[in-house]
Amino acid sequence: DTGVSQNPRHKITKRGQNVTFRCDPISEHNRLYWYRQTLGQGPEFLTYFQNEAQLEKSRLLSDRFSAERPKGSFSTLEIQRTEQGDSAMYLCASSLSRWGAVTTEAFFGQGTRLTVV
Amino acid sequence: GNSVTQMEGPVTLSEEAFLTINCTYTATGYPSLFWYVQYPGEGLQLLLKATKADDKGSNKGFEATYRKETTSFHLEKGSVQVSDSAVYFCALSRQGGSEKLVFGKGTKLTVNP
Repeated sequence: DTGVSQNPRHKITKRGQNVTFRCDPISEHNRLYWYRQTLGQGPEFLTYFQNEAQLEKSRLLSDRFSAERPKGSFSTLEIQRTEQGDSAMYLCASSLSRWGAVTTEAFFGQGTRLTVV
Repeated sequence: GNSVTQMEGPVTLSEEAFLTINCTYTATGYPSLFWYVQYPGEGLQLLLKATKADDKGSNKGFEATYRKETTSFHLEKGSVQVSDSAVYFCALSRQGGSEKLVFGKGTKLTVNP
């Protein structure tokens, strides 16, 4: 397994355009997380999935943001009508959670850097 | 809510110097505590963790002890190397539920030869 994979690595878009990012987690991991990291800050939680179910969303996730994990494998994060304030690194992480066992550590991808001009 | 406060950087040290990066947390219950490292151009990697009070996490010469009485999880290394230059993030998560991570702002460490 090559770890968590995110595409694209970099995206430059004009304000008002829509963008979509993809995350492929480690294959057997049932949990998938999205975080956002701005310059000089630590990552901030956006949302997470257990299999295909989106179980929690941060208040940071405005109506312009939507995330899906349709078959419980890869996930997409879409931002509609991008704004300059959306410029950030978007990180995906995955982990394995089993009933009655400790959840494994979260493994992170290298992120997608979004620049809105 | 849950939060993490870590020592602001940047930190610049000479090779073989002693490293301490302070981290304190605010959380309800008994969180798990982590140090993640981000090397230039790479993703976040787990460096070490501790899941209960008085546990010591260690890896690659780095150590941190979960101190509940002072709500701290300071990162230490006795002798740093140039290859340790990176950004270090302290984080916590609560067991059960989403187990999402709450991160500090990060501390950039530069080690000079």
